Amino acid sequence: AQTVTQSQPEMSVQEAETVTLSCTYDTSENNYYLFWYKQPPSRQMILVIRQEAYKQQNATENRFSVNFQKAAKSFSLKISDSQLGDTAMYFCAFMKLWGETSGSRLTFGEGTQLTVNP
Amino acid sequence: GAVVSQHPSWVICKSGTSVKIECRSLDFQATTMFWYRQFPKQSLMLMATSNEGSKATYEQGVEKDKFLINHASLTLSTLTVTSAHPEDSSFYICSARTRDSYEQYFGPGTRLTVT
Repeated sequence: AQTVTQSQPEMSVQEAETVTLSCTYDTSENNYYLFWYKQPPSRQMILVIRQEAYKQQNATENRFSVNFQKAAKSFSLKISDSQLGDTAMYFCAFMKLWGETSGSRLTFGEGTQLTVNP
Repeated sequence: GAVVSQHPSWVICKSGTSVKIECRSLDFQATTMFWYRQFPKQSLMLMATSNEGSKATYEQGVEKDKFLINHASLTLSTLTVTSAHPEDSSFYICSARTRDSYEQYFGPGTRLTVT
């Protein structure tokens, strides 16, 4: 079974600064996806960024980027120029790829509560 | 596109009664839907996976007779909490996916309070 670990229950950052959230995972699989989701106070889950394990290049989405280290099974999220709207719970998630997409499901980490201070 | 709705957003029911939560994919056909449970300040816990027209697959430890899941169409899945008790109070989230995509689209969640 896959496990996802987020070792930072809470983090805070000043507005406009950069923050990195950590995530490690354990799997024997070679083909998988990794995700970061954001859950603001509204509790709506929002996809922030995804990474395909077969890709060596780190994914980026505007102010969000990841540092994917496959051998170390590490998948950290960097948020640049933090904004007040980034305040949320952030979940790292793993998805094993099956031949049929219907068989794939998400395994979530425990979450990191990020607070951006003005 | 790829919008998932849930109804109701908040429900209060008395202990011993049953409550139904609906999850709808508004602009796509959801061949697979997932139901999660989330306690305050905790992560999402997968309860079950349902494929359209098939019986749901429940995760270990989830009582399938208590949490009835129906996925009768490509746009609707329902979760019925039967004989609800205060310990069933939680936030329930559904997500949906199409046949050809790995990406899950999440609903806004339903807060269930059992008194």
